[in-house]
Amino acid sequence: TQLLEQSPQFLSIQEGENLTVYCNSSSVFSSLQWYRQEPGEGPVLLVTVVTGGEVKKLKRLTFQFGDARKDSSLHITAAQPGDTGLYLCAGAHGAGNNRKLIWGLGTSLAVNP
Amino acid sequence: NAGVTQTPKFRVLKTGQSMTLLCAQDMNHEYMYWYRQDPGMGLRLIHYSVGEGTTAKGEVPDGYNVSRLKKQNFLLGLESAAPSQTSVYFCTSGTVGEQYFGPGTRLTVT
Repeated sequence: TQLLEQSPQFLSIQEGENLTVYCNSSSVFSSLQWYRQEPGEGPVLLVTVVTGGEVKKLKRLTFQFGDARKDSSLHITAAQPGDTGLYLCAGAHGAGNNRKLIWGLGTSLAVNP
Repeated sequence: NAGVTQTPKFRVLKTGQSMTLLCAQDMNHEYMYWYRQDPGMGLRLIHYSVGEGTTAKGEVPDGYNVSRLKKQNFLLGLESAAPSQTSVYFCTSGTVGEQYFGPGTRLTVT
């Protein structure tokens, strides 16, 4: 069962444009992470958000955790070709040693020069 | 500080052959995980370990076994490879909220 839905699935934009990708669920997560994966490599952690309504900024990337901790968004300002990659969100679900990450399928972003 | 390393990077197996994928981490993390990543299916958890000497099943454990004899190493074994196990395998270490990925092993079973 896919508990985390990411949209859009694919996005192709020109350098300098702004964009927002979304991660939605009906489940509540204790934390939510965003990762970026480049072709042939493993995902790299960008940020972890924990508190409902939390906003974190990483240079041109802004991450927001929904008030109810069920959804998140990633906004990129003035996208650059180096932002190209697969953006994955993952929510921490469960308790104790049964806590696991639930993964979205990702948004594949292409930024064209 | 190498982080998480995986060997081998690529492998081609014939149906029925066995192999072991090795994962090593130098960050002293208790938790380690094995995932497979397939187009349209995303990352799926195979097995995980919450500490040395412990292992647990994930979402898709069938056909795989694991061992965590040392804290820094987490081995994934395929006893009798099947074409359905063609995939990219990732090992991670860290916590549930912060996982650090290895570079992956691309496995093809013919």
